[in-house]
Amino acid sequence: SAVISQKPSRDICQRGTSLTIQCQVDSQVTMMFWYRQQPGQSLTLIATANQGSEATYESGFVIDKFPISRPNLTFSTLTVSNMSPEDSSIYLCSVIEGGNEAFFGQGTRLTVV
Amino acid sequence: AQSVTQLDSQVPVFEEAPVELRCNYSSSVSVYLFWYVQYPNQGLQLLLKYLSGSTLVKGINGFEAEFNKSQTSFHLRKPSVHISDTAEYFCAVNQGAQKLVFGQGTRLTINP
Repeated sequence: SAVISQKPSRDICQRGTSLTIQCQVDSQVTMMFWYRQQPGQSLTLIATANQGSEATYESGFVIDKFPISRPNLTFSTLTVSNMSPEDSSIYLCSVIEGGNEAFFGQGTRLTVV
Repeated sequence: AQSVTQLDSQVPVFEEAPVELRCNYSSSVSVYLFWYVQYPNQGLQLLLKYLSGSTLVKGINGFEAEFNKSQTSFHLRKPSVHISDTAEYFCAVNQGAQKLVFGQGTRLTINP
């Protein structure tokens, strides 16, 4: 099973600033997924990150707000740009192995003040 | 688009009592179904999954779920819960293209 490391685990940021979240996987994967979990809510997919191409964003999420990098098959970053308190959430990185089973990082708990 | 509905947002149960967390999905094609657990301040952990075969699926920590195609349901059950089962439980369906769609979550609270 894939082991996913996310950094930072939590952060408190000032509004208007940006935070970059890192996701490292212990094996090579084609696609990596970024989710947002707002307080008391379920998980919502932000985008799918493919190595060597632009990320594919879900409805309601745009590249200017959530730029993603995918420089190789084991690493990805998600940046939350120009933050506001509404961006306070848990951000999770995920991969799928064996075609079906999803594995998640521990998440990054972001608080914007 | 596929959707997942978890019918109960909160389920309080006494310790050692049985519990069922309900999940229904909408799909006209074959699906893969999952239950994940999220303990306080932690990430998601897979409890169990249905891919094919037997409709009764057993997972970790004594949980099991039954896939019912005619009712498009995948309810999660445990015959006797413990305090340590207090967590948020998410049902999810594989939407093809390897994307997961999650239900709203059910907060299971175990009372002594």
